[in-house]
Amino acid sequence: DAKTTQPTSMDCAEGRAANLPCNHSTISGNEYVYWYRQIHSQGPQYIIHGLKNNETNEMASLIITEDRKSSTLILPHATLRDTAVYYCIVRVANQGAQKLVFGQGTRLTINP
Amino acid sequence: DVKVTQSSRYLVKRTGEKVFLECVQDMDHENMFWYRQDPGLGLRLIYFSYDVKMKEKGDIPEGYSVSREKKERFSLILESASTNQTSMYLCASSSPTIYEQYFGPGTRLTVT
Repeated sequence: DAKTTQPTSMDCAEGRAANLPCNHSTISGNEYVYWYRQIHSQGPQYIIHGLKNNETNEMASLIITEDRKSSTLILPHATLRDTAVYYCIVRVANQGAQKLVFGQGTRLTINP
Repeated sequence: DVKVTQSSRYLVKRTGEKVFLECVQDMDHENMFWYRQDPGLGLRLIYFSYDVKMKEKGDIPEGYSVSREKKERFSLILESASTNQTSMYLCASSSPTIYEQYFGPGTRLTVT
């Protein structure tokens, strides 16, 4: 799986959009970009994934650059409950049982 | 709403005790996983199962065993608990036809 690089920490004001970047310059053509988050003392939570097109769901939007070497997770109206560690993962689409490998992630703090 | 439940949120056991951690999912998923999460080490896969009665070792299976007698239930067994097994244990499930893993809330196990 390709390696990802994320900032260690970020701050965002409540109600504003939180934009979390991820670099994955060695991504392969068949690898997807996944985002998970982990709120303190809870299990990780899937947020969104994409291959090359931008994706949006009820939680977030995912913007992937045309060369696929980086992406941005957007939380459009951040709330205090969005304070968590956010993980960007690059991996081949599910082929049977595959483990998830989390890096250090970005610790996002939403401030009132 | 998809759900993965774990039998306990917090557990305290003594060295040498046999410990059972239970995980149940209600999504009819074929794949189930047990991870442990430690500060600075991220998620590490202990065991996974891709079908009833099937199991595969992950990266750190030593000191653990698993059981999957029914599709919805995956148990992690610590045959003789040791202090270095103090950790957060996370169960997850997934289907071969979807991309994401769904996690339970975690069990924080302390072995004294």
